[in-house]
Amino acid sequence: AQSVAQPEDQVNVAEGNPLTVKCTYSVSGNPYLFWYVQYPNRGLQFLLKYITGDNLVKGSYGFEAEFNKSQTSFHLKKPSALVSDSALYFCAVSRPGAGSYQLTFGKGTKLSVIP
Amino acid sequence: DSGVTQTPKHLITATGQRVTLRCSPRSGDLSVYWYQQSLDQGLQFLIQYYNGEERAKGNILERFSAQQFPDLHSELNLSSLELGDSALYFCASSVQVQNTEAFFGQGTRLTVV
Repeated sequence: AQSVAQPEDQVNVAEGNPLTVKCTYSVSGNPYLFWYVQYPNRGLQFLLKYITGDNLVKGSYGFEAEFNKSQTSFHLKKPSALVSDSALYFCAVSRPGAGSYQLTFGKGTKLSVIP
Repeated sequence: DSGVTQTPKHLITATGQRVTLRCSPRSGDLSVYWYQQSLDQGLQFLIQYYNGEERAKGNILERFSAQQFPDLHSELNLSSLELGDSALYFCASSVQVQNTEAFFGQGTRLTVV
């Protein structure tokens, strides 16, 4: 079975400061890892993914994530937070070779960027 | 706009009733997924179809069923509804079965009263 943990329900950061949203995963084999963002009353929007290759993945809106196999982590980062980044962020994992691409999501982390 | 269309956006119905949620995937996407989002359970995978065939099942209740039609749109049928079925139901689509990201619709908010 695969699982994702987002240890922080909420992260508060001042505008202009760097932000990190944490994610750890558990899956047999090599994982496919994703970050999605959900704004109020909206669906989930894809931010970035790690499939293979460079451990640092760059995505939409200036976000990036670092895959760390030894720590089974995939933390989301941004060098300078914007108020408009305030939203709910979900980390997700999929297991390659499983015959399906179903995603297992974490519980989500609410990011609040304070002006 | 992800290109995935879900209807209706909101649905209010009584316990014991049956409803159908509809999803049109992005043009060219063969795979459709259904997810349920609730406060206590978070985002849960329900079921996946690929080119008309069921590919994977998750935590989907026996009262729930889905299908994907030849034009690739999908419907999720929820019957004998209970208060606990109140949730946001998302449809997502992707081009391939694996190795690609899924794009989500805006969801159908189901309220069972």
